[in-house]
Amino acid sequence: AQTVTQSQPEMSVQEAETVTLSCTYDTSESDYYLFWYKQPPSRQMILVIRQEAYKQQNATENRFSVNFQKAAKSFSLKISDSQLGDAAMYFCAFITQGGSEKLVFGKGMKLTVNP
Amino acid sequence: GAVVSQHPSWVICKSGTSVKIECRSLDFQATTMFWYRQFPKQSLMLMATSNEGSKATYEQGVEKDKFLINHASLTLSTLTVTSAHPEDSSFYICSALRDRTPPEQYFGPGTRLTVT
Repeated sequence: AQTVTQSQPEMSVQEAETVTLSCTYDTSESDYYLFWYKQPPSRQMILVIRQEAYKQQNATENRFSVNFQKAAKSFSLKISDSQLGDAAMYFCAFITQGGSEKLVFGKGMKLTVNP
Repeated sequence: GAVVSQHPSWVICKSGTSVKIECRSLDFQATTMFWYRQFPKQSLMLMATSNEGSKATYEQGVEKDKFLINHASLTLSTLTVTSAHPEDSSFYICSALRDRTPPEQYFGPGTRLTVT
């Protein structure tokens, strides 16, 4: 079975601080892509960052970076210099290449940013 | 990024009636679109995969006669909730798959359905 586990349902961070969101996944496929999506109160799903499983280098997008540990099937998201606008639900997900191409989502984690 | 629209963004209907939700990919052609349902404070639950020109593939437990999906063109998929009941009230989200490597899914803004 293909699963994504986000063990922390909620986290909070002070504005300007750094926070790390954890995610583990399980798949028997070797070729896949990992994603972090953000869902703010507007409920629009926004792609935050993407990682190709075949790449060893961790992806970065401005203040967002990931720690991808393929052997451990771990894919954490680090948010640096947290801003009030980062407050949202964050979903970890993956999709296999050549499979069903359906995104498999975690249950999500609510991030609160305190001023 | 690419844009996916949904219409309406919010709809109220009476129990027993049907309601149609449209999902459009505005700047790319999407052979495949997905329909999700999201309950409050929960993750997205995939309902079905919509393929242009063919029948939708429904996830286990989703009633295909209640949730009719039509993907008539490469830019439009529709979800019709037939004979709606209050328990069908939910937030429905569509996404469109941009067929490239890696594959990219773009999400619509969602539709809030309330059945009274």
